[in-house]
Amino acid sequence: GIQVEQSPPDLILQEGANSTLRCNFSDSVNNLQWFHQNPWGQLINLFYIPSGTKQNGRLSATTVATERYSLLYISSSQTTVSGVYFCAVSGSGGSNYKLTFGKGTLLTVNP
Amino acid sequence: KAGVTQTPRYLIKTRGQQVTLSCSPISGHRSVSWYQQTPGQGLQFLFEYFSETQRNKGNFPGRFSGRQFSNSRSEMNVSTLELGDSALYLCASSLLGLGETQYFGPGTRLLVL
Repeated sequence: GIQVEQSPPDLILQEGANSTLRCNFSDSVNNLQWFHQNPWGQLINLFYIPSGTKQNGRLSATTVATERYSLLYISSSQTTVSGVYFCAVSGSGGSNYKLTFGKGTLLTVNP
Repeated sequence: KAGVTQTPRYLIKTRGQQVTLSCSPISGHRSVSWYQQTPGQGLQFLFEYFSETQRNKGNFPGRFSGRQFSNSRSEMNVSTLELGDSALYLCASSLLGLGETQYFGPGTRLLVL
């Protein structure tokens, strides 16, 4: 199956700072999603981005499929964006056909 | 459209019992997949169903099983519960499969005593 590594595992910021979260994956993918897990455990879909760049408010993401990595940018962080961010990927066929998650990045934004 | 729903939201069982969890996908979605989240192992893929057929399965023992009905609703069953089965169980749905955007339900928290 595809291996997924996220970095950093933990990130502490002051309100207003910018951050970049990284996701590396070991094989070609046809799905890459970024999620935010809320305190109750639900996974909130941020981006579906197997390639290219997308933006949504203060969040943006870029996936460079040929180099097998994706970046999630959070600008002007507020305390409300604190939580765990996951990257998940799926490939096509065989053991790659499953959604594999990274271990997540725990983001803490202090006031 | 209503989102993905899961029932029950919380469950307490004792070792040796069995449990059935339910997942109703977004209307029109035919793919349902299940995941287990624990502090030690993180989020792990259990299985995916499409049109009542299991298309792939993760590395879990045979005590974990699932099925999908003709209306795309899915259930997963865990038999002979062990303490290590305590976890958050999440399901996700999509139109056709894992290559598309996955929409997750709120999860079922299972505690095995």
